[in-house]
Amino acid sequence: SYELTQPSSVSVSPGQTARITCSGDVLAKKYARWFQQKPGQAPVLVIFKDSERPSGIPERFSGSSSGTTVTLTISGAQVEDEADYYCYCAADNIGAFGGGTELTVL
Amino acid sequence: EVQLVESGGGLVQPGGSLRLSCAVSGFTFSNYWMTWVRQAPGKGLEWVANIKQDGSEKYYLDSVKGRFTISRDNAKNSLYLQMSGLRAEDAAIYYCARQVAPDFWGQGTLVTVSS
Repeated sequence: SYELTQPSSVSVSPGQTARITCSGDVLAKKYARWFQQKPGQAPVLVIFKDSERPSGIPERFSGSSSGTTVTLTISGAQVEDEADYYCYCAADNIGAFGGGTELTVL
Repeated sequence: EVQLVESGGGLVQPGGSLRLSCAVSGFTFSNYWMTWVRQAPGKGLEWVANIKQDGSEKYYLDSVKGRFTISRDNAKNSLYLQMSGLRAEDAAIYYCARQVAPDFWGQGTLVTVSS
């Protein structure tokens, strides 16, 4: 098994840029994806292959990778972006999630 | 439209068994790996198991090995998770998701383990 480490919380004001990091040795070799989860809802994919954005996801969501760290960036965060965010990676068909980051926008 | 619908959750006593199902539509089920993910109340997401397209490869979270079995029926477009020897720490919402690196998810089914 392997570990992915995220900050437990990030807070920004509306319109500011939010950055959420995810660290783990496996990230140097494998792509990561990011999920957004709002209370009572299933997770939604917002970034895959470190930096690709699925159709329907706003352009303010972007991803990047450097070494063993991947970063989810929300440029001009909006109140509706307030949610929990999880990074995910799979190696040898074994998956793992980061512990999740609670994003507060207020 | 891709849809995944879980069912089979409920209240079970410690040591008991439960079988979860996931019915899919909107894509060719037999072409995709499938995954189960769980989320304990107030906690984060946890990968549980996945299965190859033809069922020939299966992988499990260490803490469920020997107690949980993932399976699929491609003719019925359905994914399953047979859970036995349930423990309090297995209580969670169980989600099925498409692919090893999940893209689409169901809405989940709640498993409660309590006497």
